[in-house]
Amino acid sequence: GNSVTQMEGPVTLSEEAFLTINCTYTATGYPSLFWYVQYPGEGLQLLLKATKADDKGSNKGFEATYRKETTSFHLEKGSVQVSDSAVYFCARIQGAQKLVFGQGTRLTINP
Amino acid sequence: GAGVSQSPSNKVTEKGKDVELRCDPISGHTALYWYRQSLGQGLEFLIYFQGNSAPDKSGLPSDRFSAERTGGSVSTLTIQRTQQEDSAVYLCASSRVAGEQFFGPGTRLTVL
Repeated sequence: GNSVTQMEGPVTLSEEAFLTINCTYTATGYPSLFWYVQYPGEGLQLLLKATKADDKGSNKGFEATYRKETTSFHLEKGSVQVSDSAVYFCARIQGAQKLVFGQGTRLTINP
Repeated sequence: GAGVSQSPSNKVTEKGKDVELRCDPISGHTALYWYRQSLGQGLEFLIYFQGNSAPDKSGLPSDRFSAERTGGSVSTLTIQRTQQEDSAVYLCASSRVAGEQFFGPGTRLTVL
């Protein structure tokens, strides 16, 4: 089927630690891939995206590379901050424009 | 300009009652989406409107759910005879054609 699988949370790290949140997808073809973030008390917002294989999306120090060989789009950040505490969702486009989301990963960064 | 707005922000209702949730998309966005965020099911697609085309209703979980979009702008999601499993945060998003989806703050629905 067409689905998105994220590493299960919650994830707790110390400030300045390295972050990886794994995401894999199943799909026919090469759909656009996204990471969305939901900060406490705020709405869902786009963090980064990649529209074709080998593309790297980046924003706010976060990066993710579209790997068609491993059907993955892992989110990484070299040095996390307390303000990065949020819920992160990996997603892919299905059909015309609807988004299919992973289950979300809650990230907590301790000072 | 203003983002996507939704009302009400919170809705508590009794089982069996009907509810209406409203979404005001960003001006000029021709596409509008409804999603649902619940503990058990995560974030799931419900329905998609694009211009004057027939909506994609493939994500609606039952015939108790319906949505309309009047004049290509405001949309209303209606849930009839609400059940406790309908409790969730209902998110609306809008976009330009094939563009980034911008999400509203959501309506938290609690069915007692």
